Amino acid sequence: SQKIEQNSEALNIQEGKTATLTCNYTNYSPAYLQWYRQDPGRGPVFLLLIRENEKEKRKERLKVTFDTTLKQSLFHITASQPADSATYLCALVDSSYKLIFGSGTRLLVRP
Amino acid sequence: DAGVIQSPRHEVTEMGQEVTLRCKPISGHDYLFWYRQTMMRGLELLIYFNNNVPIDDSGMPEDRFSAKMPNASFSTLKIQPSEPRDSAVYFCASSLGGLNQPQHFGDGTRLSIL
Repeated sequence: SQKIEQNSEALNIQEGKTATLTCNYTNYSPAYLQWYRQDPGRGPVFLLLIRENEKEKRKERLKVTFDTTLKQSLFHITASQPADSATYLCALVDSSYKLIFGSGTRLLVRP
Repeated sequence: DAGVIQSPRHEVTEMGQEVTLRCKPISGHDYLFWYRQTMMRGLELLIYFNNNVPIDDSGMPEDRFSAKMPNASFSTLKIQPSEPRDSAVYFCASSLGGLNQPQHFGDGTRLSIL
């Protein structure tokens, strides 16, 4: 079955630095991959979607890459701010046509 | 714009009781999803509907769980009888156009079964 792996350890960085989060997947080659942000006590919020034929997608300070050979997506936040502190989830549609989510990586941006 | 609305936000009840969670999707969206989130298992898809029709309920843990979507603007997730292991945060989400499209989540119902 499809498996998504995200670093379970929190990423702690200094304000202004670039945060890089990793999403690895196995056993399937999805056509799309999505990234969501989740704040405590709230539902996930969609951030970016990248297609398999897109190597990179940008939105303001956010950048997502999608390497189908490595089966990996990287999520970057440049010029990070304390307000970027949250848990970030990657998700993809698996071979059973369900959207499955990784367990998320918590990002802490220190002022 | 109104997002996905879930009620109640919190529910505390004793085991054996019936629990009903409610969801109002974004108007015009044709897909509706129910998820459960726990620390141990993360965010899991329970069931999803397309145009009010249940498409895949393979994530529903047991027959104690049931979901309905009587119309395009309302869905319920029911647990009867409830058990302590059902304690979790339950999210509803909706989307337009398919499984690969962005999903819009409500803020969830935090369910505690004593």
